Amino acid sequence: EVQLVESGGGLVQPGGSLRLSCAGSGFTFSNYWMSWVRQAPGKGLEWVANIKYDGSEKYYVDSVEGRFTISRDNAENSLYVHMNSLRAEDTGLYYCATSADHSIIDWGQGTLVTVSS
Amino acid sequence: DVVMTQSPLSLPVTLGQPASISCRSSESLVHSNGNIYLNWFQQRPGQSPRRLIYKVSNRDSGVPDRFSGSGSGTDFTLKISRVEAEDVGIYYCMQGTNWPYSFGQGTKLEIK
Repeated sequence: EVQLVESGGGLVQPGGSLRLSCAGSGFTFSNYWMSWVRQAPGKGLEWVANIKYDGSEKYYVDSVEGRFTISRDNAENSLYVHMNSLRAEDTGLYYCATSADHSIIDWGQGTLVTVSS
Repeated sequence: DVVMTQSPLSLPVTLGQPASISCRSSESLVHSNGNIYLNWFQQRPGQSPRRLIYKVSNRDSGVPDRFSGSGSGTDFTLKISRVEAEDVGIYYCMQGTNWPYSFGQGTKLEIK
């Protein structure tokens, strides 16, 4: 059974930084693209970033380009996102997800990021 | 960027009756490889999203056959043949043809 467990969320001040982690199990982590998708409170879904199975390609939505960095450690079956210069509009539940064939297959339970002073 | 527009945004349905959700994209979702990467997700209250349909009409394993997807180009539809209580939630379409991938606003299905 695929399991994705996110961690690292919390309360951070505007302009601050945070690193989210995602531990994957139950599948061959190094075979999958991985993604971060977020959901603002009471709002819809937004695809944030995507990373190829070997880390050689990364894609970001415009609103986080230059501020967020997605990375992975296949030896540790882990996905990360480093978030800098955080803004109030970055507040939300951040999901880790497996990706394949231009889609999302499995989702974690999410970790909540709150950007507020 | 591709904008995905769903309608209706709220969908009250009587148990056992059919339901239909429309999703329109601001540009064609036909990829250069000929595939159409249009997906449908269900998010039940308090849960993470779950994929129902991929590449327009392919149902995921374990998804009841009362769910079906159709469409082409820029117009797509998710249909539920007979709504059950467990179908309550928010449904999202998502395009994976062009980066950045994008979701519709969501359609909230409730029981009348």
